[in-house]
Amino acid sequence: DAGVIQSPRHEVTEMGQEVTLRCKPISGHDYLFWYRQTMMRGLELLIYFNNNVPIDDSGMPEDRFSAKMPNASFSTLKIQPSEPRDSAVYFCASSLTKSRGTQYFGPGTRLTVL
Amino acid sequence: GESVGLHLPTLSVQEGDNSIINCAYSNSASDYFIWYKQESGKGPQFIIDIRSNMDKRQGQRVTVLLNKTVKHLSLQIAATQPGDSAVYFCAENGNDYKLSFGAGTTVTVRA
Repeated sequence: DAGVIQSPRHEVTEMGQEVTLRCKPISGHDYLFWYRQTMMRGLELLIYFNNNVPIDDSGMPEDRFSAKMPNASFSTLKIQPSEPRDSAVYFCASSLTKSRGTQYFGPGTRLTVL
Repeated sequence: GESVGLHLPTLSVQEGDNSIINCAYSNSASDYFIWYKQESGKGPQFIIDIRSNMDKRQGQRVTVLLNKTVKHLSLQIAATQPGDSAVYFCAENGNDYKLSFGAGTTVTVRA
C-alpha cells in the first residue's frame, strides 16, 4: 500500500514567493495533519482536518499560512509570501478515527527560503 | 503551557546492549502516549503506544513503561541494532486527535 505522499520533496525559493506544498493521505484515512519541523522548535502541529474540514488551526503561525483540503485525497499548505524563517521540513500525516494517536507520516518537504 | 519533554538529547549505545530512552510529561490530562522513531531524511514512524490505564506494554524488542505518579515515560529497546540509530520522540494525547511531541533523543548505535 502507498503511504502518505508529499510533493515536492525539496523546494528552494526566494523570499516573497508563493510556496504550495501538497499531500495525499492514505486512502480511507479521515484525519489529516500538517506539521513543521525545525531544529529550534522541534515538531509542531500547524493544522489538522477531519473529513476534509479544518478542526484546529491554532498552530498556523501567521496569516501568510493557509491550508485546504478540497477532497479526501488531497490537501495543500500554502505560504504567501514566504520568508527565510519559514525554512523547515513540512510533514503531512494521516490517521483513522479509531486509531487515535497512530499517525502515518509522509516523507516531508524540505523548504528553503532564500 | 504544558508540554512533553525529554531528559537527554543524545544516547550512545553499544550494539547488542539494551537502550532506555526517557521522557517526562507535564499534562496530567493526557491519557495516551506514543513513541515515534525518525530516521534521517524520513518522517516519524509509529513504534508503540500505551494508554494511561496501563503501566507497561511490550512489542517486538521494545517495551514502553508509564509511571503516572511521576509523569514519566520510557522506551526500552532490547539488543540494540545498527538500524535502531535514529531520533526517538515521545508524544502525548488528550481527548482529541492532537499530538504534542517531545524534543527527541538521538540514539547512536556503536558497532
